[in-house]
Amino acid sequence: NAGVTQTPKFQVLKTGQSMTLQCAQDMNHEYMSWYRQDPGMGLRLIHYSVGAGITDQGEVPNGYNVSRSTTEDFPLRLLSAAPSQTSVYFCASSYSRGRNYGYTFGSGTRLTVV
Amino acid sequence: AQSVSQHNHHVILSEAASLELGCNYSYGGTVNLFWYVQYPGQHLQLLLKYFSGDPLVKGIKGFEAEFIKSKFSFNLRKPSVQWSDTAEYFCAVRGATNKLIFGTGTLLAVQP
Repeated sequence: NAGVTQTPKFQVLKTGQSMTLQCAQDMNHEYMSWYRQDPGMGLRLIHYSVGAGITDQGEVPNGYNVSRSTTEDFPLRLLSAAPSQTSVYFCASSYSRGRNYGYTFGSGTRLTVV
Repeated sequence: AQSVSQHNHHVILSEAASLELGCNYSYGGTVNLFWYVQYPGQHLQLLLKYFSGDPLVKGIKGFEAEFIKSKFSFNLRKPSVQWSDTAEYFCAVRGATNKLIFGTGTLLAVQP
């Protein structure tokens, strides 16, 4: 049981480049989400999904796109990277609300935009 | 919209001192509450969680938290901290949509 797998672990981008951060889970969780972590700001929710085909914006969605074509995968796309997107990105998944279950987090992707 | 406030941004304690970290949330409905810890260079680890029932929740490593609904609070406590508790602590709240919203975190430094 792999849990939540994030790839890559590290990435350096040039301003204006695009890339996709991958997130996959094998626990059949309906809910998946992306966060960015910055010093002094905690983890801020970027986008989330309550099931395949359904996504919604979180606290800081600008500059990021997501899609959820399958239950297992929830990729995060940066269409035109900016230095302000330098951060550590975490993916998390959970069952739907109603079960006494917490969240499983991936190990993170450290992204630097130069 | 749900939100979380952690009032203590940076706390410095000596070993064996007692710890209390404040957490207040804003949300009009039923909530689930969480405390996470992040040790230097590591990713998040769940300390404890509250879903329902007894408002006093015990977690790992001797931590506990009390849910006070009337005060919208979920403060984290530990009677005697150790140097190994040096870490960043995050409070988080889940509302009806299953979104998990975090506070800005509290950096705890324990001096030996």
